[in-house]
Amino acid sequence: NAGVTQTPKFQVLKTGQSMTLQCAQDMNHEYMSWYRQDPGMGLRLIHYSVGAGITDQGEVPNGYNVSRSTTEDFPLRLLSAAPSQTSVYFCASRPGRVNTEAFFGQGTRLTVV
Amino acid sequence: AQTVTQSQPEMSVQEAETVTLSCTYDTSESDYYLFWYKQPPSRQMILVIRQEAYKQQNATENRFSVNFQKAAKSFSLKISDSQLGDAAMYFCAYRRKNSGYALNFGKGTSLLVTP
Repeated sequence: NAGVTQTPKFQVLKTGQSMTLQCAQDMNHEYMSWYRQDPGMGLRLIHYSVGAGITDQGEVPNGYNVSRSTTEDFPLRLLSAAPSQTSVYFCASRPGRVNTEAFFGQGTRLTVV
Repeated sequence: AQTVTQSQPEMSVQEAETVTLSCTYDTSESDYYLFWYKQPPSRQMILVIRQEAYKQQNATENRFSVNFQKAAKSFSLKISDSQLGDAAMYFCAYRRKNSGYALNFGKGTSLLVTP
């Protein structure tokens, strides 16, 4: 049981480049979400999804796109990377039932130079 | 919108002693969940303990316990018999019960454990 898998674990991008952070879960969870973690800021919600084909914005969505074509995958796209997007990114999933906990991936450390 | 406040950026405790991490939150909801997560240097987010707002009894998990004061909107974490392995960032988090799709996190408290 792999849980929530994020790839890559580390990435360096140049300003203006695009890339996709991958997130996959094998637990058949309905809810998935992306957070970014910055020093002194905690984790802030970027986008979330409540099921295949359904996504919505969180607290800090600008500069990021998501899609949810399958239950398992929830990729996060940076269309034109900026230094302000240097951060650690976490993907999380949980079942759609109310009384459940979230499972987190190991995180992706992204540096934009 | 719900906000979660952790007013202690850093805390220090001696091994075997007890430490309390503070968390307050703001919400207009009556039913919700509160969590404490531990993030060691490995970066992994580890659930330490959770509390359901409608339960008056404070949650406990081995050496970890909470003091949940619903009227005061306070949710502190007490770590007893601190161990070197408890050193980590600790995040308090909130989630609505209805339509609670994701977590709202505080900014975290860095806990140092000294021998």
